[in-house]
Amino acid sequence: EVHLVESGGGLVQPGGSLRLSCAASGFAFSSYWMHWVRQAPGKGLVWVSHINTVGSTTTYADSVKGRFTISRDNAQNTLYVEMNSLRAEDTAVYYCVREGVTMDYWGQGTLVTVSS
Amino acid sequence: DIVMTQSPDSLAVSLGERATINCKSSQSVLNSSNRKNSVAWYQQRPGQPPKLLIYWASTRESGVPDRFSGSGSATDFTLTISSLQAEDVAVYYCQQYYSSPYTFGQGTKLEIK
Repeated sequence: EVHLVESGGGLVQPGGSLRLSCAASGFAFSSYWMHWVRQAPGKGLVWVSHINTVGSTTTYADSVKGRFTISRDNAQNTLYVEMNSLRAEDTAVYYCVREGVTMDYWGQGTLVTVSS
Repeated sequence: DIVMTQSPDSLAVSLGERATINCKSSQSVLNSSNRKNSVAWYQQRPGQPPKLLIYWASTRESGVPDRFSGSGSATDFTLTISSLQAEDVAVYYCQQYYSSPYTFGQGTKLEIK
């Protein structure tokens, strides 16, 4: 069974940094592109970033470009996102998502709150 | 960026009745290699992550009840629930995966009348 478990969320001050992790199991992690999608409290879904199978291709939403860095460790079956220069508008639940044909499996999410 | 616009924003339907949610893309999302539309539908129940229901606009994900169906072409797409069940109360999102950024509709909240 596919499992995606995010961790690393929490409260951070504006301008601060945070690193989220996503532990994957139940499938061949190294064979799948992976995404981060976020959802602000009470709001809709917003795609953040994706990464190809070997980590050589990454793409970002304009809102996080230059501040967030997606990466992966296929030996550890783990997806990461390094978030710097955090802003209040980055407050959201961050989901780790597997790409099959499209986003077919989602983790439970981890909440990031940016506030002073 | 491709904009996905859903209608209505909210919908109340009686149990056993049909629910229809529409989604319009700002440009074509037709994949030229397989002639299929790169549109997916997700269900998000309260407190839960989204769940994939439909991809390629009309292909039901494994395990999804057959009361859920997707249709449409060009820039207009529809999710239909043929006979609403209590467990279908949720927010539904359409999404295009034709090109990055992979945009979602704003969501449609489905409730029981």
